[in-house]
Amino acid sequence: GQNIDQPTEMTATEGAIVQINCTYQTSGFNGLFWYQQHAGEAPTFLSYNVLDGLEEKGRFSSFLSRSKGYSYLLLKELQMKDSASYLCAVLRGGGNKLTFGTGTQLKVEL
Amino acid sequence: EAQVTQNPRYLITVTGKKLTVTCSQNMNHEYMSWYRQDPGLGLRQIYYSMNVEVTDKGDVPEGYKVSRKEKRNFPLILESPSPNQTSLYFCASSVDRVVEQYFGPGTRLTVT
Repeated sequence: GQNIDQPTEMTATEGAIVQINCTYQTSGFNGLFWYQQHAGEAPTFLSYNVLDGLEEKGRFSSFLSRSKGYSYLLLKELQMKDSASYLCAVLRGGGNKLTFGTGTQLKVEL
Repeated sequence: EAQVTQNPRYLITVTGKKLTVTCSQNMNHEYMSWYRQDPGLGLRQIYYSMNVEVTDKGDVPEGYKVSRKEKRNFPLILESPSPNQTSLYFCASSVDRVVEQYFGPGTRLTVT
């Protein structure tokens, strides 16, 4: 089967850095996505990793270790608008199926 | 404007009454997918389609049907809805399965 684990909630301070972890166990791994979802809205794409290493995109970076079944999303210079749910999703099954974790609710405080 | 549209946005229905939720995209995307989102369970994939006339089951296909007769449309059909299908449904599309998906605004379905 497949299992994806993320912390349920995290709190951080405006201007700080936060790291959201995701661990997974799955067969036929073909890559890992991170999505952001604000309350009452649809998810929006943040990043995709298929090779080991760090991908940087502005204030957001994502890391993948395939051997450890581990990824993290790093958010720098946190802003109030970063308060949202962050969803880790694994592409598997020959690359056709996408399985999401339950999401990490991030709250950014002053 | 590039977008994924879903209709209806809100629907309250009764057990057993067949319904269809439509999904349409104007980006010429090949890959389309349906998800349901429930508290504590996250987003779960119901069905996906790699292209016209090519569909396959996701993680929770029971009680749902789909069709892909045209590239732009991917309707979700509930032949006999039950209360456990009360959920928030999202349709999504992408150029290919390994790139970012664009999500529709969601359809909130309540089955009584």
